[in-house]
Amino acid sequence: AQSVTQLGSHVSVSEGALVLLRCNYSSSVPPYLFWYVQYPNQGLQLLLKYTTGATLVKGINGFEAEFKKSETSFHLTKPSAHMSDAAEYFCAVSEGFQKLVFGTGTRLLVSP
Amino acid sequence: EAQVTQNPRYLITVTGKKLTVTCSQNMNHEYMSWYRQDPGLGLRQIYYSMNVEVTDKGDVPEGYKVSRKEKRNFPLILESPSPNQTSLYFCASSLTRDTGELFFGEGSRLTVL
Repeated sequence: AQSVTQLGSHVSVSEGALVLLRCNYSSSVPPYLFWYVQYPNQGLQLLLKYTTGATLVKGINGFEAEFKKSETSFHLTKPSAHMSDAAEYFCAVSEGFQKLVFGTGTRLLVSP
Repeated sequence: EAQVTQNPRYLITVTGKKLTVTCSQNMNHEYMSWYRQDPGLGLRQIYYSMNVEVTDKGDVPEGYKVSRKEKRNFPLILESPSPNQTSLYFCASSLTRDTGELFFGEGSRLTVL
């Protein structure tokens, strides 16, 4: 079965600093990989996804992630954090038939 | 506006009192599913539906039922709720079959006393 590991349940950065949220996956087949963001009291929304092709994918709000097959990783980055980026971020891998396997989430805290 | 709508958003109930959480989407999506979110566990799939009258179990289906009589609606039924079903529930829908790009509702926070 596929699985996702997100290192760090909480990550704190200062406004303007680099954001790096880590995600590693296990999969026996080529994976589809996703990052979702959840703002307080809201549902999840898609930030970006990797299916095939270019391994560096760009998403909304200046986020990007790179698929590294050799490292089984799909880390999320943003060059400069903004206060509005404070949220919980979930990495997920698709097993097909609309089923996503989610990581346990990383809460991003941004301080002034 | 494209959306997935869940009701109720908040509910406190007692053990054994049947309840239904409704979910409706206006995007003509074929695929719908229910997840529960618990601290430290992320989101886990309860049930999913590939089309009308086609449903199947996810990872944590015990204690839940679903139905898909219409394409737009996918209610989650708790026949006899128990305290371990206290959780945040999300309905999601998807147009495509395998890519996993889901549209989520805003969530329903359920407390079972």
